[in-house]
Amino acid sequence: EVQLVESGGGLVQPGGSLRLSCAVSGFNVTSHYMRWVRQAPGKGLEWVSIIYSGGSTNYADSVKGRFTISRHTSQNTVFLQMNRLRVDDTAVYYCAKEMCSRSSCYADSWGQGTLVTVSS
Amino acid sequence: QSVLTQPPSVSGAPGQRVTISCTGSSSNIGAGYDVHWYQQLPGTAPKLLIYVNSNRPSGVPDRFSGSKSGTSASLAISGLQAEDEADYYCQSYDSSLSGDVVFGGGTKLTVL
Repeated sequence: EVQLVESGGGLVQPGGSLRLSCAVSGFNVTSHYMRWVRQAPGKGLEWVSIIYSGGSTNYADSVKGRFTISRHTSQNTVFLQMNRLRVDDTAVYYCAKEMCSRSSCYADSWGQGTLVTVSS
Repeated sequence: QSVLTQPPSVSGAPGQRVTISCTGSSSNIGAGYDVHWYQQLPGTAPKLLIYVNSNRPSGVPDRFSGSKSGTSASLAISGLQAEDEADYYCQSYDSSLSGDVVFGGGTKLTVL
């Protein structure tokens, strides 16, 4: 059974850092694209970052240069290091496993989410 | 402002059929990129509802169907049930952005 469990969220001051983890079971993180998606309170979904099966990465413009996605093969875990956090980074952060069609990818499994609150 | 445009809300009575539109442009849906739909029940994580325009994952009732034409896509829900009350999001790919996937702004379905 595929499971994704996020952790690491919490309250942090503006300018601070947090590292989110997404522990995976039922598949290998190196065999699928893995994506972080966030949802600000009362708002819609926004993609944050992706790590491809080959290890390359991509980021939304809003987090580029501040966030870093990585993975640990033996722990079967994906991470999101978030630095220089801003108030508008406040959101529930979801980890998702991606599947790809011939033209685009979609998230076929999601974690339960972890809340990040950036506030002074 | 989302790249993909959805109506903020739709509603219907139990048993009725509702549709949710997702309008894009020539750099996303109109360019031939597939559309996917997610259902988010209150207080829960999103769940894949429709993938590659019209395919249902195992366990999704056939009351849910998807279609795509031109620069738009639609999600149809027939035989509306109270448990269908949720937020629905479309997603595709946009070739004009530095990122890759784009989401619609979401549609709140209310079952009257």
